[in-house]
Amino acid sequence: EVQLLESGGGSLQPGRSLRLSCTASGFNFNDYAFSWVRQAPGKGLEWVGLIRSKYYGGAPIYAASMKGRFTISRDDSKSIVYLQMNSLNTEDTGVYYCARDIVVPGATYNYFMDVWGKGTTVTVSS
Amino acid sequence: DIQMTQSPSSLSASVGDTVTITCRASQGISNYLAWFQQKPGKAPKSLIYAASSLQRGAPSKFSGRGSGTDFTLTISSLQPEDFAIYYCQQYYTYPYTFGQGTTVEIK
Repeated sequence: EVQLLESGGGSLQPGRSLRLSCTASGFNFNDYAFSWVRQAPGKGLEWVGLIRSKYYGGAPIYAASMKGRFTISRDDSKSIVYLQMNSLNTEDTGVYYCARDIVVPGATYNYFMDVWGKGTTVTVSS
Repeated sequence: DIQMTQSPSSLSASVGDTVTITCRASQGISNYLAWFQQKPGKAPKSLIYAASSLQRGAPSKFSGRGSGTDFTLTISSLQPEDFAIYYCQQYYTYPYTFGQGTTVEIK
């Protein structure tokens, strides 16, 4: 069964750092890109960024508001995608989801999400 | 950034009804459009990609249409499990962006 499992969420004070993990199982991890998507309480979905497979260079891409504070990386040997979040503020509070991305045939930069994890909750509060 | 605007923001419908949700992009996105369903307290579920292709495992009651800037999601024969929030999302260019969501409620 294809599964994604996020972990690492918690409660912390503004200015602190946190690393989230997304552990994949049931498919060949190396072949896929992965996105992080977050959702503030009572709000809609917000794309954080994605990381391509090594076949496509493995580079991460970020939403502008996250760039510089958030870092996405992957460990193909462990089938884990990470989201390192630094200088957290109260606006970063929410549920963080990872999703598996499928590359659009013939396109290098276009991916659509198919499988989602259940999410992990991050609460930033003083 | 490309802005995605869904309408209506919410709708009320009865079991057995067919409903249509609209998603408009602020610029052309070809068919690089996906639809998701989210129930309270749950993760989103992928329904449609490439504007009209059904994700594996998604029921055929969901259908999508459109290209360019205007897209629709139609849900036929609404059942209790279909009452949820639906989001569109463009993956034409970075940053990928979502619509604000449409809540489908029971009348």
